[in-house]
Amino acid sequence: NAGVTQTPKFRILKIGQSMTLQCTQDMNHNYMYWYRQDPGMGLKLIYYSVGAGITDKGEVPNGYNVSRSTTEDFPLRLELAAPSQTSVYFCASSGQTSGIYTDTQYFGPGTRLTVL
Amino acid sequence: GEDVEQSLFLSVREGDSSVINCTYTDSSSTYLYWYKQEPGAGLQLLTYIFSNMDMKQDQRLTVLLNKKDKHLSLRIADTQTGDSAIYFCAERSGNTGKLIFGQGTTLQVKP
Repeated sequence: NAGVTQTPKFRILKIGQSMTLQCTQDMNHNYMYWYRQDPGMGLKLIYYSVGAGITDKGEVPNGYNVSRSTTEDFPLRLELAAPSQTSVYFCASSGQTSGIYTDTQYFGPGTRLTVL
Repeated sequence: GEDVEQSLFLSVREGDSSVINCTYTDSSSTYLYWYKQEPGAGLQLLTYIFSNMDMKQDQRLTVLLNKKDKHLSLRIADTQTGDSAIYFCAERSGNTGKLIFGQGTTLQVKP
């Protein structure tokens, strides 16, 4: 199992540009999450999903959109990039592993985004 | 609201024990977690403790939970240079199931 994979690893955007951060998990987890991590800070939840077709806002959803058309994929969309969205973005998933629901969130390696 | 607080920095010598502390506010938390983040990497789950436990030991790691004071600690015995990283405490919100993270404690291990 690859676990949680994210692409790209790094990206520089100009103000007003759009992009999609990709996240895929191969553990058949129902729950998926997007966080952002600002320097010296903990992680803030942007959006989460409890299953395909279901998404909900976290603490800091403004400026972002998500979709969950499959169990595996949970892309995060930035429509009009702003300097305040410069951050490291982490995707995570949780759910049943080997038939046991554990609640544990497994994280991807992150996408480092800079908006200039 | 829910909040998790950690001290920002801890420096120890190789071979000493490290103790990283965390306080939280949600008394309905069911699980509490410790994650480790190495430079440029994602978060790696180290250990977790269920809220009805006082202590959990896993090799060099000992987690202590004081529910009355809403205080969680992570002790790393025989700290090695490879333990240098940022350690995040997180609580699973009892109401929403979402994780609330602390700011992270940077552990520096000097040879």
